[in-house]
Amino acid sequence: GENVEQHPSTLSVQEGDSAVIKCTYSDSASNYFPWYKQELGKRPQLIIDIRSNVGEKKDQRIAVTLNKTAKHFSLHITETQPEDSAVYFCAASKGFQKLVFGTGTRLLVSP
Amino acid sequence: EAQVTQNPRYLITVTGKKLTVTCSQNMNHEYMSWYRQDPGLGLRQIYYSMNVEVTDKGDVPEGYKVSRKEKRNFPLILESPSPNQTSLYFCASSLGLVNEQFFGPGTRLTVL
Repeated sequence: GENVEQHPSTLSVQEGDSAVIKCTYSDSASNYFPWYKQELGKRPQLIIDIRSNVGEKKDQRIAVTLNKTAKHFSLHITETQPEDSAVYFCAASKGFQKLVFGTGTRLLVSP
Repeated sequence: EAQVTQNPRYLITVTGKKLTVTCSQNMNHEYMSWYRQDPGLGLRQIYYSMNVEVTDKGDVPEGYKVSRKEKRNFPLILESPSPNQTSLYFCASSLGLVNEQFFGPGTRLTVL
């Protein structure tokens, strides 16, 4: 079955810096890759997703890139702010089976 | 208001005492799922359901049961809870598997 690895497990940056979180997946048939943000004590919420027919997607300060050949995808956050501090989860799915999540990255943005 | 609700939010129980965590959504979503969240392990899927009367195992189904008799409800049943099922549980729903999943508020379960 699908296996998703996520790195780093923790990431500390200064406010205004960029942050990059990377995920690799094992099943080349996976075609849907969402990213969820979970603030402390709250539920996960979708922040951006990408499908396998697209190489990059942007939404304001957030972008996701997908390399199907290498089977990895990354989340990029530019101009980080303290409110970006949270745990971020990547996930992968083949579209008709279960969604498999990575183990999460705790991002800390210091003022 | 579109939402996913779970009850109870917090539960402390003892080994072997059957319990049910309810999950309900009001968005007419076909896909529903249960996850457990443990430190360092992320979100692991327990069971999912593509539609009424259609359920399938996720990555960690042992010790859990589910049912989907109605579209809006997807209860999680622990027939004989054990301490290793102490965890934070999330229910989620979506239009389909490749759509945004909406998570419930979570249920923190402690099994003594």
